[in-house]
Amino acid sequence: EAQVTQNPRYLITVTGKKLTVTCSQNMNHEYMSWYRQDPGLGLRQIYYSMNVEVTDKGDVPEGYKVSRKEKRNFPLILESPSPNQTSLYFCASSLYDFRMGPSPIPLHFGNGTRLTVT
Amino acid sequence: AQKVTQAQTEISVVEKEDVTLDCVYETRDTTYYLFWYKQPPSGELVFLIRRNSFDEQNEISGRYSWNFQKSTSSFNFTITASQVVDSAVYFCALSSASGGSYIPTFGRGTSLIVHP
Repeated sequence: EAQVTQNPRYLITVTGKKLTVTCSQNMNHEYMSWYRQDPGLGLRQIYYSMNVEVTDKGDVPEGYKVSRKEKRNFPLILESPSPNQTSLYFCASSLYDFRMGPSPIPLHFGNGTRLTVT
Repeated sequence: AQKVTQAQTEISVVEKEDVTLDCVYETRDTTYYLFWYKQPPSGELVFLIRRNSFDEQNEISGRYSWNFQKSTSSFNFTITASQVVDSAVYFCALSSASGGSYIPTFGRGTSLIVHP
């Protein structure tokens, strides 16, 4: 089954304790992205990746890191989480064929990770 | 720069009423794509429709219909004879070639509550 898998679904942690949220897709998608969803603010992009070893900042990258060492995985790293990073996080992926020119296929989303930082 | 505005934060209707969710977008590009996603109470995000800027035909899928009007930069979503299962947050999104890529921009979402 084609899917984007995020783990964990729920995470409660304390300020300053490094954490990683994993994201994996089995659709061979080039494009992967992380979003955070906060009440009244909708979905805001944190980081995205066009392909392996290619990452770039989205709208709200401060306090986050990502890596794209393999095509299927795109982990989100919070080196020193703070309470303002309490949010619902989504990973997403889609096709992005550079040979054909950009063609935004709809995003496939993971089921979300609800993070609470106390 | 691209922008999506969903002015309705929350809409409350009674079952069987028709409801329209508004989406207004801004982009300087002539080629762009518009999307609607649904987020039910369970939290996952589900793709509903994609429309490109060269296709202004309205689309109907069961009780759902979409009205794309370039003249007003709008891509509105109508649910006919709403049902309780339609209760969700709905997001409109825009992808255009600004900056050389099609990174999508999302609106803030409209929460639809359908009462029995």
